[in-house]
Amino acid sequence: AQSVSQHNHHVILSEAASLELGCNYSYGGTVNLFWYVQYPGQHLQLLLKYFSGDPLVKGIKGFEAEFIKSKFSFNLRKPSVQWSDTAEYFCAVKKGSQGNLIFGKGTKLSVKP
Amino acid sequence: SQTIHQWPATLVQPVGSPLSLECTVEGTSNPNLYWYRQAAGRGLQLLFYSVGIGQISSEVPQNLSASRPQDRQFILSSKKLLLSDSGFYLCAWSVDGAYAYEQYFGPGTRLTVT
Repeated sequence: AQSVSQHNHHVILSEAASLELGCNYSYGGTVNLFWYVQYPGQHLQLLLKYFSGDPLVKGIKGFEAEFIKSKFSFNLRKPSVQWSDTAEYFCAVKKGSQGNLIFGKGTKLSVKP
Repeated sequence: SQTIHQWPATLVQPVGSPLSLECTVEGTSNPNLYWYRQAAGRGLQLLFYSVGIGQISSEVPQNLSASRPQDRQFILSSKKLLLSDSGFYLCAWSVDGAYAYEQYFGPGTRLTVT
């Protein structure tokens, strides 16, 4: 069965540290890739997405993600985190043009001020 | 602009009682609608999705059912709740059509079955 794996359950960083959250998927065909974020007490919202073209995608709040097809990966990065980045981050994969989203289990990020 | 509403925000129900969670979307027509359950450390599990009125697809066999009586209304139900039904339930919508990329999520309902 197709799956999405997020390697880290909980990441704790100090402000200004660099961030990389891993995401791997198991589907071999065409995929659309997403990162969603859920800030404490808020709705789940889209952070960034990849459909096609440049595999380096830039999202809101300084986040970016790189699609590496050969590695089936879509890791999320930010060069310098802030306390306000404390949230839970979900990677999601959409198979082809009509598939539903498959979510990873999420990574909780805690940023210490 | 489009908005999505869910209610109630929190719910505490005893085992064996019925359940009805409601989701409505405003500002769009003929959306695709989704129900997810979010459990701590387990991510989001798609429960049901609907591409139109009366059209429901179930992703996971379980104690729950869904209905779509109106274009922008999606209801999650159970006749008899189990302890394992506790969780955070999210409704989402996306643009109709084959290329339904982004999903937009509601605020969720925290259900505790006691």
